Amino acid sequence: GDSVTQMEGPVTLSEEAFLTINCTYTATGYPSLFWYVQYPGEGLQLLLKATKADDKGSNKGFEATYRKETTSFHLEKGSVQVSDSAVYFCALSHTGTASKLTFGTGTRLQVTL
Amino acid sequence: GAVVSQHPSWVICKSGTSVKIECRSLDFQATTMFWYRQFPKQSLMLMATSNEGSKATYEQGVEKDKFLINHASLTLSTLTVTSAHPEDSSFYICSASPPGGRANYGYTFGSGTRLTVV
Repeated sequence: GDSVTQMEGPVTLSEEAFLTINCTYTATGYPSLFWYVQYPGEGLQLLLKATKADDKGSNKGFEATYRKETTSFHLEKGSVQVSDSAVYFCALSHTGTASKLTFGTGTRLQVTL
Repeated sequence: GAVVSQHPSWVICKSGTSVKIECRSLDFQATTMFWYRQFPKQSLMLMATSNEGSKATYEQGVEKDKFLINHASLTLSTLTVTSAHPEDSSFYICSASPPGGRANYGYTFGSGTRLTVV
């Protein structure tokens, strides 16, 4: 079955540091890949997505590239802010309205001044 | 954009009582909604897939008689935790995908419901 593996956290960075959160997946075919962010006490928000190999998703300074050859979708940001402190989830899904999301375990990011 | 409203955002109930959580798609119709449970500092566990007009599909290990799901309209799915016990305390989140969006456009999540059973 499908699975998503994320680097374990928590990740603690100083403001303006470079961020990488690794994500690899196992799936048949060509799934769509997502990064979701969860702020404390809230639901999940879609951060970015990529639907095919070599696609780059980007939003709010975050980027991730769909790498079919390495089955990866690593999340990066060049300069993090305190407001980026949250839990980040990598996920995949196959096409189809009823297709469920498979999540990684989540990575907590803490950014300090 | 697509908005999913979840209510209540938090609830405290006594052991043995039942609690209903609502999930509404506000500006789109959702034939399928998903219910997740999240334990502290852990990932989301898919509990069930809610299908409009038909029975929900439960994941392995989820008690269908404990967690009743009703998807009576294209904009509303409800999760009822029956005879709640302290071990049911958790964060419950629903999600839906706008029609035509499918997985390619991502899923919209509700803001979650914090259930505490005392």
